[in-house]
Formats: sequence, C-alpha cells, structure tokens
Amino acid sequence: DQQVKQNSPSLSVQEGRISILNCDYTNSMFDYFLWYKKYPAEGPTFLISISSIKDKNEDGRFTVFLNKSAKHLSLHIVPSQPGDSAVYFCAASARAGGTSYGKLTFGQGTILTVHP
Amino acid sequence: NAGVTQTPKFQVLKTGQSMTLQCAQDMNHNSMYWYRQDPGMGLRLIYYSASEGTTDKGEVPNGYNVSRLNKREFSLRLESAAPSQTSVYFCASSVDRGAGELFFGEGSRLTVL
Repeated sequence: DQQVKQNSPSLSVQEGRISILNCDYTNSMFDYFLWYKKYPAEGPTFLISISSIKDKNEDGRFTVFLNKSAKHLSLHIVPSQPGDSAVYFCAASARAGGTSYGKLTFGQGTILTVHP
Repeated sequence: NAGVTQTPKFQVLKTGQSMTLQCAQDMNHNSMYWYRQDPGMGLRLIYYSASEGTTDKGEVPNGYNVSRLNKREFSLRLESAAPSQTSVYFCASSVDRGAGELFFGEGSRLTVL
C-alpha cells in the first residue's frame, strides 16, 4: 500500500520556465510534508517542508502547496535552472502520533531535467 | 562537516554471505534510520532507532538486524544476503523522532550475486 505517490516518473522543462512536481498521499494522519532533492551518487538533501496547518510555504525559488482536502501537495520551482536537474522525492510524516509517528514515508521520486 | 558517514560505499557479496553496514553521525542527533532505495520504489524504511538503546522495525525489516551501538552509531547487518537485498542503502539521523527533517548519508551500494 503506497501511502505517498508521485505519479510522474519524469519531467522535462526548459530553463527559466516553471517546474511543477506533484505528490499525493492517502494517510490522513500525515501532518508534515517535505521535499528532498537527490543527485546521483549522493544522499537525499532536504529542500523545503510544510506543516498541515499551512497551505503554502515559500523559500526563494521553491514553493510548496498543500491541499489537505485533496491530500495533494506540489512543489513549484520558478525559474528552473539546469542545476535543478535531479530526482525529487516527496515525503510525509505524522508528528502528532499514530503508527507513522516520526517516520518519513517517501514517494517513488520524479526525475526533473532542466534543459538550457 | 561530516554529518552522516556510511561505510562501505560499495560492496559485492555472494548469496549467503553476511556483512555489516556502518553508520555514524556527529550532529548529536537522538534518532537514526536505515532506508533502502530501489528503482521505482522510492526510499523504504528498514529499521529505526528513536533514541539510544531502542530499535524498531520499519516497512521492510525482513533479512536485516540493527544495533544502536551508542548515540553516534547505528549499524545494519545482513546475516545471510540474498539477491533481493541488492540495493542502495541510506543511513539518516534526526534531532528527535518527531522532528521531521532527516539528514542522510551518501549511501552504500550493495550487490548480492
């Protein structure tokens, strides 16, 4: 049972345009969501997060949107740069309790390629 | 700034052999985790340790054992390796179990023939 899903295995965009990566979840106990970025032969690195009490969080070129009723979150990168080419993972956690407490559940990842 | 350090980075085993993946963090974090990454599957939690002296199973614990040696170190052992355990293994740590953000090591690529 995949509790966190990224249905697009890959995304290709032109430099300077917007990249939108999507993620869906099924566990209603999830209350904290994160995006990680991963380059080849490296570990994932934290990018941005959002708590379920918010519907938007912004950090420079990166914005995460959360739609709790749809159990959907998205990551917007504007403008996209070639250095953003990487695998992006969304992850979810239940910080308030339950069986998912304190453990990150990851999606399958989306490979983003930004063309110059 | 070492952060989370994993050894070895690469390992090839024959079916039935055993090995231990080592992980150490220097951030004074309480919680540590072992994940595996397989194509199309994302990262799946194998075992975690919420604090020194405790360990718990994650999503895919079968075939693995762990030891939280002290606050800094968390090892993952494969007692009898199987080809299905061919994967990239990541160790991670967080301030506390409920902190949310995990810090990852660079990964250990294991191939079981």
